[in-house]
Amino acid sequence: GQNIDQPTEMTATEGAIVQINCTYQTSGFNGLFWYQQHAGEAPTFLSYNVLDGLEEKGRFSSFLSRSKGYSYLLLKELQMKDSASYLCAVTSNDYKLSFGAGTTVTVRA
Amino acid sequence: DADVTQTPRNRITKTGKRIMLECSQTKGHDRMYWYRQDPGLGLRLIYYSFDVKDINKGEISDGYSVSRQAQAKFSLSLESAIPNQTALYFCATSDFGMGGPGELFFGEGSRLTVL
Repeated sequence: GQNIDQPTEMTATEGAIVQINCTYQTSGFNGLFWYQQHAGEAPTFLSYNVLDGLEEKGRFSSFLSRSKGYSYLLLKELQMKDSASYLCAVTSNDYKLSFGAGTTVTVRA
Repeated sequence: DADVTQTPRNRITKTGKRIMLECSQTKGHDRMYWYRQDPGLGLRLIYYSFDVKDINKGEISDGYSVSRQAQAKFSLSLESAIPNQTALYFCATSDFGMGGPGELFFGEGSRLTVL
């Protein structure tokens, strides 16, 4: 199975940068996903990393280190609409996706 | 219209009742999943299906059953609902991509309350 840890809550100011860390332990790692979930809504896909390194997509970037079992999601130029939960999810060779408990980010003016 | 549709969106029922949550998709994906979400616990996999003839248990399948009636339809049943099954339930679909699992596409969720 997978053991996925991420902080419960983070608060940041509009325009700032926030980094959400995720550590995992899994057998047969086959990729790591980040999803965004606004309150009362379904999760939506943000990023996918399977190789070590940084993937950049606009204001959001995701980093993976397979040897360390570590990923982070970087949110730059924070906007109020970025207030949401961010879910780290890991997939193994059986292609099932296991989710962490999520990090709730609150952006303040 | 949503690509992944769940019905009902909200349901209140009593302990011991049988409940079915339905999911249909127009994405043409073979893979379908049922998750439940509880505060502080995140999304947990109940059952998943990689094609019409394939059904697999997830991490918390006890008390639940599923039926894959067609490629586009995957229903979740609670044979005898109990209060700790009160949760937000999500159906999701995926395709096989990027050499591994593709991204999940979620329905809007079904909020179930068992009294």
